[in-house]
Amino acid sequence: EIVMTQSPATLSVSPGERATLSCRASQSVSSNLAWYQQRPGQAPRLLIYGASTRATGIPARFSGSGSGTEFTLTISSLQSEDFALYYCQQYNNWPPKYTFGQGTKLEIK
Amino acid sequence: QVQLVESGGGVVQPGRSLRLSCVASGFSFSSFGMHWVRQAPGKGLEWVAVIWYDGSNQYYTDSVKGRFTISRDNSKDTLYLQMSSLRAEDTAVYYCAREATALLSYSTSPFDYCGQGTLVTVSS
Repeated sequence: EIVMTQSPATLSVSPGERATLSCRASQSVSSNLAWYQQRPGQAPRLLIYGASTRATGIPARFSGSGSGTEFTLTISSLQSEDFALYYCQQYNNWPPKYTFGQGTKLEIK
Repeated sequence: QVQLVESGGGVVQPGRSLRLSCVASGFSFSSFGMHWVRQAPGKGLEWVAVIWYDGSNQYYTDSVKGRFTISRDNSKDTLYLQMSSLRAEDTAVYYCAREATALLSYSTSPFDYCGQGTLVTVSS
């Protein structure tokens, strides 16, 4: 099983500042990496897929980078609605064995 | 607009069974693979199962193999998860989710839409 490890567990950032979240895979997942946002009491929302492609309707302040085993989600200028949980997910296996990271909580500093 | 509405959750005793449903609307249900994803209270996301757009193949996470069955009725735009031999560790909010890519076979895709979830509590 591919293990996804996110860091840090909690990130405290002020509104308007930049946030950088990391995700590491235990083995290469190529670019088959997605990022999701989950606000309290809500379902996950797809932000980024293919490691760097924004999903439909996602603001340009969200960007993803990386390939292989190291990935980054950057939020360039934090808005109040961005403070939430973020999960990375790999979808590289066949047969499918999708795995998620444990999440990074982005909180207001 | 795409909508996924889960139902069927509740409190169930260990060892018993439960069937979840997810009714889809706003898209061509029969063209998309569908997944179940769960989230235990205060925990992260865990993929549970996937079924191909035509229902011809299903795959499961190891912890539910032999106990859970994913199925679909494309004439009713509905996805199901039949859960049996339930355990306390199956307690979670269960989300149905749509694959981002249509007509996918022998490949994988992230999930572009999720429902709001239904809570399953396994407790005596």
